[in-house]
Amino acid sequence: DIQMTQSPSSLSASVGDRVTITCRASQGISNSLAWFQQKPGKAPKSLIYAASSLQDGVPSKFSGSGSGTDFTLTISSLQPEDFATYYCQQYKNYPFTFGPGTKVDIK
Amino acid sequence: EVQLVESGGGLVQPGGSLRLSCAASGFTFSDHYMDWVRQAPGKGLEWVGRIRNKANSYTTEYAASVKGRFTISRDDLKKSLYLQMNSLKTEDTAVYYCVRGTNPPFAYWGQGTLVTVSS
Repeated sequence: DIQMTQSPSSLSASVGDRVTITCRASQGISNSLAWFQQKPGKAPKSLIYAASSLQDGVPSKFSGSGSGTDFTLTISSLQPEDFATYYCQQYKNYPFTFGPGTKVDIK
Repeated sequence: EVQLVESGGGLVQPGGSLRLSCAASGFTFSDHYMDWVRQAPGKGLEWVGRIRNKANSYTTEYAASVKGRFTISRDDLKKSLYLQMNSLKTEDTAVYYCVRGTNPPFAYWGQGTLVTVSS
């Protein structure tokens, strides 16, 4: 199975900050990577697929990059509604696997 | 508008069975692969399994943790996805999400249904 790791596991940031989350796959997955945002008690929301393609309706402050084994999610200017947990997921090989999550909270 | 609505969750004893359903609307259900993803209380996301479309013979894939116990099926006429869960264990306790798996990948999720396995 492909193992997904994320760093950091949590971070504290202020409104307006630029935030970057890293995701690493244990083997190459080309660009078969997605990013999700989840708020407490809610279903995950898809932000990005194919490593860098924004889902419809997702604001452009979110961006993704990377290929192979190393990927990043960047939030250009953190807003109050962005405080949440973020997960990456590979869908290159079965079983699909998620990273452990990065919790972004208010400094 | 794409909608996925899960139902069928509840409390079940270890060793018991439960069948979850997911009603889809707002898109051509028969075209898409469909997935189940679960989340144990306070934990991360775990992919459970996938069913492909008719063009791909409705074939399935499963996580090792559920293979042989869970079965995914679909009824394209009813626009519904199902998860039959047998031989349930306490570690199967989770919120189960129905997810449209394709075009684009994992774009749409249901609100989830809670399954609690406890004596």
